[in-house]
Amino acid sequence: GAVVSQHPSRVICKSGTSVKIECRSLDFQATTMFWYRQFPKQSLMLMATSNEGSKATYEQGVEKDKFLINHASLTLSTLTVTSAHPEDSSFYICSANNGGLNNEQFFGPGTRLTVL
Amino acid sequence: SQQGEEDPQALSIQEGENATMNCSYKTSINNLQWYRQNSGRGLVHLILIRSNEREKHSGRLRVTLDTSKKSSSLLITASRAADTASYFCATDATGTASKLTFGTGTRLQVTL
Repeated sequence: GAVVSQHPSRVICKSGTSVKIECRSLDFQATTMFWYRQFPKQSLMLMATSNEGSKATYEQGVEKDKFLINHASLTLSTLTVTSAHPEDSSFYICSANNGGLNNEQFFGPGTRLTVL
Repeated sequence: SQQGEEDPQALSIQEGENATMNCSYKTSINNLQWYRQNSGRGLVHLILIRSNEREKHSGRLRVTLDTSKKSSSLLITASRAADTASYFCATDATGTASKLTFGTGTRLQVTL
């Protein structure tokens, strides 16, 4: 149980285009979803916390108009990278929290974004 | 930055040896979790230790937690080549609405 999927697994796009990444909890309802970014050989950095039906909470330094997050249901959150530039190229990972006692987060397999 | 520190940054051992990774953090926590990540892949949850626990075992994994020193260690015994991966600690700090803060990670290489 507790499977989280992401789609697409990798995407290559031209500079200036927008890219949408989906994060789904497959067998549980996620009260909260989180979006992380990971640059090569670095750790995960939290970008934003997404709660169903409300606006996302962004971490300091993350542009909310650049990284649009929509959490329309308890099983789906989307991250849209708007007007992508080469410096946005990164590995984007989502996680979902089922609200359990231990706050265990279940991670998706990640999306590799390359902006040309 | 509130990010935790892990050491060593990289560790290379031979199969059968034990691997120890350390994690230090900065704030009060509810729990600390260890994750594994194979290159270019998502994270796999290994073990969670609560702030009132001092040691936890899971198979070949042993985790310790010292809240007075704000540190944790992950021991992998009898390592295998398949254990080659990056290992991250992540803390669930009190009062942060379930957010996890990840350490810098340790890249473990297990050779035959």
